[in-house]
Amino acid sequence: AQKVTQAQTEISVVEKEDVTLDCVYETRDTTYYLFWYKQPPSGELVFLIRRNSFDEQNEISGRYSWNFQKSTSSFNFTITASQVVDSAVYFCALSGDNAGNMLTFGGGTRLMVKP
Amino acid sequence: DAGITQSPRHKVTETGTPVTLRCHQTENHRYMYWYRQDPGHGLRLIHYSYGVKDTDKGEVSDGYSVSRSKTEDFLLTLESATSSQTSVYFCATKDLAGGVFDEQFFGPGTRLTVL
Repeated sequence: AQKVTQAQTEISVVEKEDVTLDCVYETRDTTYYLFWYKQPPSGELVFLIRRNSFDEQNEISGRYSWNFQKSTSSFNFTITASQVVDSAVYFCALSGDNAGNMLTFGGGTRLMVKP
Repeated sequence: DAGITQSPRHKVTETGTPVTLRCHQTENHRYMYWYRQDPGHGLRLIHYSYGVKDTDKGEVSDGYSVSRSKTEDFLLTLESATSSQTSVYFCATKDLAGGVFDEQFFGPGTRLTVL
């Protein structure tokens, strides 16, 4: 069985602060992928990033960066210089080597960025 | 954007009535999924399909059935709705161009209330 835990249910920051969203996962698979999705107040789910289990390089995309550490089974997401538009629920998810390669989601972290 | 639509977008029904939700995609993606989203649980997989007439159960399949008679349509049926099935339902599709671990694209969601 696979499991994803996002211990932070809600985070509130002031605009321009940096914020890190934590994601810890459990899986017995050797090959797996990790994902982050964003759900803004409008409700749709937006794909942000996919990372495979063999690639531990950090990734940066504009103000977003991701830190993948297999040693601690974590895939954390950092937003630098947060903006009000970053306010959303963020989900971490795992796809293991199972039938259908199903996604297992964490419970989500609600980020509120105040002006 | 995978061109996924869901209908209806909102529905209120009574306990014991049958309900069918429809997911329609225009991208010819092979895999399709139904998830439900509940506070604190993230998204949980109900059923998925890996081809026309090929379906399998997910994590929370009790009380739900699915059908896929065409590539573009994936139907979710609640045979006899219960209040515990009040939720937001998301359909997702996956192309295999990037392999079996490709990201999933999500529809806009259907908010179902069972009174």
